[in-house]
Amino acid sequence: EIVLTQSPGTLSLSPGERATLSCRASQSVSSSYLAWYQQKPGQAPRLLIYGASSRATGIPDRFSGSGSGTDFTLTISRLEPEDFAVYYCQQYGSSPNTFGQGTRLEIK
Amino acid sequence: EVQLVQSGAEVKKPGESLRISCKGSGYSFTSYWISWVRQMPGKGLEWMGRIDPSDSYTNYSPSFQGHVTISADKSISTAYLQWSSLKASDTAMYYCARSPPGIQLNHYWGQGTLVTVSS
Repeated sequence: EIVLTQSPGTLSLSPGERATLSCRASQSVSSSYLAWYQQKPGQAPRLLIYGASSRATGIPDRFSGSGSGTDFTLTISRLEPEDFAVYYCQQYGSSPNTFGQGTRLEIK
Repeated sequence: EVQLVQSGAEVKKPGESLRISCKGSGYSFTSYWISWVRQMPGKGLEWMGRIDPSDSYTNYSPSFQGHVTISADKSISTAYLQWSSLKASDTAMYYCARSPPGIQLNHYWGQGTLVTVSS
């Protein structure tokens, strides 16, 4: 089973700043099958990025993903108030698919 | 519009059985897999398993194999997650999610079903 480790656990930033979230895999993620999800309190997760760098339908272009192999990054270029949430990475290239433990993005 | 609508919150006692549901609409139910994902209170996401509604083939995470059963009734576009004997540690929010066949990528999610197991 591939273990995903996200860092930092909590990120405190202000609106307008740039956010960089990291996801490291215990072994190489097949075909860059790495996704990012956003979850707000009381809501289901929402798919943001798939294939490491492709934005899902309707996701603003301030969200971008990069990386390959074992190191992946989610970048939010300029934080909007609605971006403060918990973010999870997921690898879906190997069974069982697995999620990281999450990064909480909070308002500073 | 693609929708996954889950059954309502449940409160059960340890040892009781339970089946929760996830009804798909707005797409061909047999063309996509349905997964179940657990989120324990204040914790992260855990993939439990999935079903192909076209043939009811299932695949479980080793962590959940033998503890839950996933099934589907394609005639009513509904997937199920079932327990035969609940434990307090089953208290969690459970989400269903839709993915393309062969790729466990969850584009659409249900609203979640909160299961509380308490004596």
